[in-house]
Amino acid sequence: DAKTTQPPSMDCAEGRAANLPCNHSTISGNEYVYWYRQIHSQGPQYIIHGLKNNETNEMASLIITEDRKSSTLILPHATLRDTAVYYCIVFNGGSQGNLIFGKGTKLSVKP
Amino acid sequence: DVKVTQSSRYLVKRTGEKVFLECVQDMDHENMFWYRQDPGLGLRLIYFSYDVKMKEKGDIPEGYSVSREKKERFSLILESASTNQTSMYLCASMQGILSPLHFGNGTRLTVT
Repeated sequence: DAKTTQPPSMDCAEGRAANLPCNHSTISGNEYVYWYRQIHSQGPQYIIHGLKNNETNEMASLIITEDRKSSTLILPHATLRDTAVYYCIVFNGGSQGNLIFGKGTKLSVKP
Repeated sequence: DVKVTQSSRYLVKRTGEKVFLECVQDMDHENMFWYRQDPGLGLRLIYFSYDVKMKEKGDIPEGYSVSREKKERFSLILESASTNQTSMYLCASMQGILSPLHFGNGTRLTVT
């Protein structure tokens, strides 16, 4: 079973920030938080990951709460091409890379 | 950028056929994976490999086998295709254990 909880769907207006929450209240100290997304008819795409510090790259920002029990993925200026299913995953490198993908959040960016 | 290429986007096979799904990655990654994706069930790991000629069972290996003769290529084999193997199959690779997974665009297999 996935160790994360995400809302099944969210809407966002084009050009606005999209904030996608993830709850991982049972996260262990050595587990990282990863985010992937899957655009329709494509394979999942890696976005970002972090351990306890906030992270930013060219695609998004990841905010992890101090107790690490939840995180938020931020797409600062959502476009129509960001419409996808977003997956939040916790992983510690064990099980030879067997990331468990849950059901994710379907983000719909609307004009 | 890492490129993971799956040989077919769409495939239609008959029940009982032997099916080969091929995957090639161009970044010299150690680890390669095969998943299947079904509506409502998310991604499920079938097999993975962490080195040439090495393989490990994932969560749902029954009815499948794999081959890794070269580092860049990881093949999934359906020994005798059945209708319940109709699915989207995704190949992925990654370098180290905490490195990101890089996925191919998938093969949508239909078994009739």
